[in-house]
Amino acid sequence: SAVISQKPSRDICQRGTSLTIQCQVDSQVTMMFWYRQQPGQSLTLIATANQGSEATYESGFVIDKFPISRPNLTFSTLTVSNMSPEDSSIYLCSVADGSGYTFGSGTRLTVV
Amino acid sequence: SQKIEQNSEALNIQEGKTATLTCNYTNYSPAYLQWYRQDPGRGPVFLLLIRENEKEKRKERLKVTFDTTLKQSLFHITASQPADSATYLCALSGGGADGLTFGKGTHLIIQP
Repeated sequence: SAVISQKPSRDICQRGTSLTIQCQVDSQVTMMFWYRQQPGQSLTLIATANQGSEATYESGFVIDKFPISRPNLTFSTLTVSNMSPEDSSIYLCSVADGSGYTFGSGTRLTVV
Repeated sequence: SQKIEQNSEALNIQEGKTATLTCNYTNYSPAYLQWYRQDPGRGPVFLLLIRENEKEKRKERLKVTFDTTLKQSLFHITASQPADSATYLCALSGGGADGLTFGKGTHLIIQP
């Protein structure tokens, strides 16, 4: 199965700043998915990232707040922009992998 | 809107017994239902996938059932072990290249 390297694993950021999260996959994949997991909540899909086209965002998520890059078939970044304490969450990337999906280990973001 | 419900309370099971977790959903007609395991500080790990036209799927000590009439899946771990203690997530997808819709998960504790 695919192996995903996600970084940073955690960060503490000041409100109003931005953080870029990176995911590197050890194989080429068509689509990468970005999720948010707020404390005590389920994983929520933020957007789907295709190489060579703009990401598709789910209801409640916008490109200005969560810009995504997908420069090639093994790499993607998610930026959390103009952060507020409400953005404190775990952010995860994922790829479809055979029957199921493989996830990165997550980025635990705390905004102060 | 789509809704997935899992036991919100922690489930305590004696070692060696069978643990049964429930996933109910509404306003959804999934093509696939998947179960994941999530340990603290880690991303979800894929366990089993069952298709809408399948009733049951097994993998070693794991068994999943899927009743599209009841809109329910049951996830069984037989001969449970303390190492099975984790949060188990139910996830639905419409198939193809869709992202997943997750439940909040059930925290399973296997007592030695």
